[in-house]
Amino acid sequence: KQEVTQIPAALSVPEGENLVLNCSFTDSAIYNLQWFRQDPGKGLTSLLLIQSSQREQTSGRLNASLDKSSGRSTLYIAASQPGDSATYLCAVQTGANNLFFGTGTRLTVIP
Amino acid sequence: GAGVSQTPSNKVTEKGKYVELRCDPISGHTALYWYRQSLGQGPEFLIYFQGTGAADDSGLPNDRFFAVRPEGSVSTLKIQRTERGDSAVYLCASSLNVNNEQFFGPGTRLTVL
Repeated sequence: KQEVTQIPAALSVPEGENLVLNCSFTDSAIYNLQWFRQDPGKGLTSLLLIQSSQREQTSGRLNASLDKSSGRSTLYIAASQPGDSATYLCAVQTGANNLFFGTGTRLTVIP
Repeated sequence: GAGVSQTPSNKVTEKGKYVELRCDPISGHTALYWYRQSLGQGPEFLIYFQGTGAADDSGLPNDRFFAVRPEGSVSTLKIQRTERGDSAVYLCASSLNVNNEQFFGPGTRLTVL
């Protein structure tokens, strides 16, 4: 069964810092990988989707990379802002079509 | 356009009662997914529909859980004889087709007293 791990579980940084969130998965036979943001008590907002054939995707201050062979992905956030404070979830989609999620990284950006 | 919507946003019920949770996917999306998220955890897959049929229900925890999508659009997740352990946020997602990006609704927070 696919297992997804996210490190660290929580992270606090001062405003303006660049940061990296890590995601690893055990089975490299994936169709795609998605990064989501979840605010407290809210649903999931899709940030970036990387197809298995791609190496990275960028959206604004966010950059996600994928190394499928090693089972790793990173989410890079540039010039962090207090509004970036949320839980970030990584999920991989396998041939079973459903997503396997990590437990998330809770990010706090301190003004 | 409108995103995925879920009703109710909150549901409080008593142990042993029956509940129904509704999901309205994005118009035109053929695939629909249900997930359950417990506090401090990532969402866990329950069931997925392609059109009207349940293509994979391997994530349903037991036979008290059932879901339907009779016309290939709206879906209802049904839980019989609720237990306190069923308390969680139930999330619905839809995608244009399988293996496409999934878009999530705001979830229904179910509390079983």
